[in-house]
Amino acid sequence: GAVVSQHPSRVICKSGTSVKIECRSLDFQATTMFWYRQFPKKSLMLMATSNEGSKATYEQGVEKDKFLINHASLTLSTLTVTSAHPEDSSFYICSANLGAGIQETQYFGPGTRLLVL
Amino acid sequence: RKEVEQDPGPFNVPEGATVAFNCTYSNSASQSFFWYRQDCRKEPKLLMSVYSSGNEDGRFTAQLNRASQYISLLIRDSKLSDSATYLCVVNRQDGNYGGSQGNLIFGKGTKLSVKP
Repeated sequence: GAVVSQHPSRVICKSGTSVKIECRSLDFQATTMFWYRQFPKKSLMLMATSNEGSKATYEQGVEKDKFLINHASLTLSTLTVTSAHPEDSSFYICSANLGAGIQETQYFGPGTRLLVL
Repeated sequence: RKEVEQDPGPFNVPEGATVAFNCTYSNSASQSFFWYRQDCRKEPKLLMSVYSSGNEDGRFTAQLNRASQYISLLIRDSKLSDSATYLCVVNRQDGNYGGSQGNLIFGKGTKLSVKP
Protein backbone atom coordinates (compact mmCIF):
# COMPACT_ATOMS: atom_id res chain seq x y z
CA GLY A 1 0.00 0.00 0.00
CA ALA A 2 0.90 3.67 -0.15
CA VAL A 3 3.57 4.65 2.33
CA VAL A 4 4.73 8.08 3.30
CA SER A 5 7.75 8.45 5.55
CA GLN A 6 9.02 11.39 7.56
CA HIS A 7 12.36 12.07 9.11
CA PRO A 8 13.17 12.76 11.84
CA SER A 9 10.36 11.41 13.96
CA ARG A 10 11.35 13.59 16.86
CA VAL A 11 13.65 16.55 17.27
CA ILE A 12 14.62 18.76 20.17
CA CYS A 13 16.46 21.95 19.37
CA LYS A 14 17.51 25.23 20.91
CA SER A 15 15.64 28.42 20.19
CA GLY A 16 17.00 30.19 17.12
CA THR A 17 18.16 27.11 15.25
CA SER A 18 16.64 25.80 12.03
CA VAL A 19 15.15 22.36 11.68
CA LYS A 20 14.59 20.46 8.44
CA ILE A 21 11.91 17.79 8.16
CA GLU A 22 11.81 15.41 5.21
CA CYS A 23 8.72 13.82 3.74
CA ARG A 24 9.04 11.00 1.24
CA SER A 25 6.54 9.01 -0.74
CA LEU A 26 8.06 5.54 -0.77
CA ASP A 27 6.21 3.62 -3.43
CA PHE A 28 4.55 6.25 -5.55
CA GLN A 29 5.26 9.62 -7.07
CA ALA A 30 3.58 12.64 -5.54
CA THR A 31 3.42 15.90 -7.45
CA THR A 32 1.63 17.42 -4.50
CA MET A 33 2.34 17.01 -0.82
CA PHE A 34 0.78 18.79 2.11
CA TRP A 35 2.23 19.98 5.38
CA TYR A 36 0.08 20.10 8.50
CA ARG A 37 0.64 21.13 12.06
CA GLN A 38 -1.23 19.84 15.07
CA PHE A 39 -1.11 21.29 18.56
CA PRO A 40 -2.10 19.08 21.52
CA LYS A 41 -5.79 18.22 21.54
CA LYS A 42 -6.41 20.36 18.48
CA SER A 43 -7.33 19.43 14.94
CA LEU A 44 -4.87 19.22 12.08
CA MET A 45 -4.25 22.55 10.42
CA LEU A 46 -3.00 22.78 6.88
CA MET A 47 0.10 24.94 6.63
CA ALA A 48 0.97 24.72 2.96
CA THR A 49 0.69 22.76 -0.23
CA SER A 50 4.00 21.65 -1.66
CA ASN A 51 4.15 21.49 -5.45
CA GLU A 52 6.90 19.62 -7.24
CA GLY A 53 8.95 21.97 -9.35
CA SER A 54 7.21 25.14 -8.26
CA LYS A 55 6.61 27.33 -5.25
CA ALA A 56 4.58 26.11 -2.34
CA THR A 57 1.16 27.55 -1.65
CA TYR A 58 0.81 28.76 1.92
CA GLU A 59 -2.35 29.03 3.96
CA GLN A 60 -3.35 32.36 5.35
CA GLY A 61 -1.37 33.25 8.42
CA VAL A 62 1.54 30.91 7.71
CA GLU A 63 4.80 32.76 7.13
CA LYS A 64 6.55 31.47 4.04
CA ASP A 65 9.90 32.83 5.17
CA LYS A 66 9.52 31.05 8.47
CA PHE A 67 8.45 27.71 7.05
CA LEU A 68 10.50 27.04 3.95
CA ILE A 69 9.23 24.30 1.68
CA ASN A 70 11.15 22.65 -1.10
CA HIS A 71 9.67 19.94 -3.33
CA ALA A 72 12.66 19.08 -5.47
CA SER A 73 11.56 15.68 -6.70
CA LEU A 74 8.42 13.61 -7.15
CA THR A 75 9.12 11.71 -3.95
CA LEU A 76 10.57 14.28 -1.59
CA SER A 77 9.34 17.46 0.05
CA THR A 78 11.15 19.21 2.87
CA LEU A 79 9.91 21.66 5.47
CA THR A 80 12.46 23.84 7.20
CA VAL A 81 11.43 25.68 10.33
CA THR A 82 13.81 28.62 10.38
CA SER A 83 14.91 30.31 13.59
CA ALA A 84 12.66 28.06 15.62
CA HIS A 85 11.06 29.38 18.78
CA PRO A 86 9.23 27.55 21.58
CA GLU A 87 5.87 28.46 20.06
CA ASP A 88 6.87 26.44 16.99
CA SER A 89 6.88 23.30 19.11
CA SER A 90 4.23 21.09 17.57
CA PHE A 91 3.50 17.88 15.70
CA TYR A 92 4.25 18.35 12.01
CA ILE A 93 2.71 15.89 9.59
CA CYS A 94 3.04 15.63 5.85
CA SER A 95 0.77 13.87 3.44
CA ALA A 96 0.81 12.94 -0.21
CA ASN A 97 -1.98 12.41 -2.71
CA LEU A 98 -2.67 9.17 -4.46
CA GLY A 99 -5.29 8.75 -7.16
CA ALA A 100 -7.13 11.45 -9.01
CA GLY A 101 -10.40 13.31 -8.99
CA ILE A 102 -13.05 11.93 -6.71
CA GLN A 103 -10.82 8.93 -5.93
CA GLU A 104 -8.00 11.13 -4.71
CA THR A 105 -6.91 10.16 -1.22
CA GLN A 106 -4.28 11.52 1.06
CA TYR A 107 -1.88 9.32 2.99
CA PHE A 108 -0.04 10.70 5.96
CA GLY A 109 3.49 10.35 7.15
CA PRO A 110 4.09 9.32 10.76
CA GLY A 111 4.72 12.90 11.82
CA THR A 112 7.61 14.77 13.38
CA ARG A 113 7.39 15.97 16.92
CA LEU A 114 9.34 19.21 17.34
CA LEU A 115 10.28 20.61 20.71
CA VAL A 116 12.04 23.95 20.79
CA LEU A 117 13.67 24.82 24.09
CA ARG B 1 -21.75 26.65 9.80
CA LYS B 2 -18.22 25.43 10.27
CA GLU B 3 -16.59 23.79 7.27
CA VAL B 4 -16.65 20.38 8.93
CA GLU B 5 -18.43 19.82 12.20
CA GLN B 6 -18.54 16.68 14.28
CA ASP B 7 -20.14 15.40 17.44
CA PRO B 8 -18.12 16.79 20.29
CA GLY B 9 -17.75 13.49 22.15
CA PRO B 10 -16.11 11.85 23.99
CA PHE B 11 -17.96 8.60 23.54
CA ASN B 12 -17.36 6.06 26.28
CA VAL B 13 -18.88 2.71 25.37
CA PRO B 14 -18.56 -0.89 26.54
CA GLU B 15 -17.08 -3.56 24.33
CA GLY B 16 -19.60 -4.90 21.89
CA ALA B 17 -21.62 -1.70 21.72
CA THR B 18 -22.69 -0.02 18.52
CA VAL B 19 -21.67 3.59 18.21
CA ALA B 20 -22.47 6.20 15.59
CA PHE B 21 -20.60 9.36 14.70
CA ASN B 22 -22.16 12.21 12.78
CA CYS B 23 -20.59 14.95 10.74
CA THR B 24 -21.89 17.89 8.73
CA TYR B 25 -20.07 19.92 6.10
CA SER B 26 -20.74 23.37 4.74
CA ASN B 27 -19.51 23.27 1.15
CA SER B 28 -22.20 21.74 -1.02
CA ALA B 29 -19.67 21.40 -3.86
CA SER B 30 -17.51 18.96 -1.89
CA GLN B 31 -17.13 15.68 -3.70
CA SER B 32 -14.91 13.47 -1.57
CA PHE B 33 -15.49 12.38 1.99
CA PHE B 34 -13.47 10.27 4.33
CA TRP B 35 -13.26 8.95 7.83
CA TYR B 36 -9.78 8.83 9.34
CA ARG B 37 -8.81 7.54 12.73
CA GLN B 38 -6.03 9.06 14.76
CA ASP B 39 -4.46 7.33 17.72
CA CYS B 40 -2.89 9.38 20.47
CA ARG B 41 0.30 11.07 19.28
CA LYS B 42 0.12 9.36 15.89
CA GLU B 43 -0.72 10.44 12.38
CA PRO B 44 -4.25 10.10 10.93
CA LYS B 45 -4.86 6.88 9.07
CA LEU B 46 -7.52 6.40 6.45
CA LEU B 47 -10.36 4.28 7.75
CA MET B 48 -12.86 4.59 4.93
CA SER B 49 -13.72 6.64 1.93
CA VAL B 50 -17.41 7.53 1.89
CA TYR B 51 -19.28 6.90 -1.32
CA SER B 52 -22.62 8.34 -2.30
CA SER B 53 -24.41 5.03 -1.98
CA GLY B 54 -22.94 4.31 1.41
CA ASN B 55 -20.38 1.62 2.01
CA GLU B 56 -19.51 -1.04 4.49
CA ASP B 57 -16.22 -2.57 5.55
CA GLY B 58 -16.62 -5.26 8.15
CA ARG B 59 -17.92 -3.68 11.33
CA PHE B 60 -17.78 -0.17 9.87
CA THR B 61 -20.51 1.45 7.80
CA ALA B 62 -20.27 4.92 6.30
CA GLN B 63 -23.17 6.86 4.87
CA LEU B 64 -23.45 10.11 2.96
CA ASN B 65 -26.50 12.33 2.63
CA ARG B 66 -25.71 15.06 0.13
CA ALA B 67 -29.04 16.83 0.52
CA SER B 68 -28.43 17.32 4.22
CA GLN B 69 -24.62 17.61 3.82
CA TYR B 70 -24.26 14.93 6.43
CA ILE B 71 -21.88 12.00 6.84
CA SER B 72 -22.06 9.22 9.38
CA LEU B 73 -19.89 6.37 10.61
CA LEU B 74 -21.36 3.38 12.40
CA ILE B 75 -19.18 0.96 14.32
CA ARG B 76 -20.77 -2.32 15.32
CA ASP B 77 -19.50 -4.74 17.96
CA SER B 78 -16.89 -2.25 19.11
CA LYS B 79 -13.50 -3.54 20.22
CA LEU B 80 -11.00 -2.15 22.68
CA SER B 81 -8.73 -1.48 19.70
CA ASP B 82 -11.34 0.87 18.22
CA SER B 83 -10.46 3.42 20.89
CA ALA B 84 -9.15 6.43 19.00
CA THR B 85 -10.20 9.81 17.68
CA TYR B 86 -12.30 9.62 14.54
CA LEU B 87 -11.90 12.45 12.08
CA CYS B 88 -14.48 13.41 9.52
CA VAL B 89 -12.66 14.72 6.49
CA VAL B 90 -13.97 16.53 3.44
CA ASN B 91 -12.01 17.40 0.35
CA ARG B 92 -12.10 21.13 -0.28
CA GLN B 93 -12.07 20.46 -4.01
CA ASP B 94 -14.80 22.56 -5.52
CA GLY B 95 -16.00 20.04 -8.06
CA ASN B 96 -13.07 20.64 -10.39
CA TYR B 97 -11.55 17.26 -11.14
CA GLY B 98 -8.99 18.68 -13.48
CA GLY B 99 -6.16 18.71 -11.02
CA SER B 100 -5.05 18.32 -7.49
CA GLN B 101 -6.41 21.64 -6.41
CA GLY B 102 -8.10 20.35 -3.34
CA ASN B 103 -6.95 19.57 0.12
CA LEU B 104 -8.54 18.08 3.13
CA ILE B 105 -10.58 19.88 5.73
CA PHE B 106 -10.59 18.06 9.03
CA GLY B 107 -13.24 18.04 11.66
CA LYS B 108 -12.00 18.39 15.21
CA GLY B 109 -12.57 14.70 15.75
CA THR B 110 -14.62 12.63 18.13
CA LYS B 111 -12.83 10.64 20.75
CA LEU B 112 -14.03 7.10 21.28
CA SER B 113 -13.09 5.09 24.32
CA VAL B 114 -14.16 1.45 24.37
CA LYS B 115 -14.09 -0.07 27.85
CA PRO B 116 -13.91 -3.74 28.80
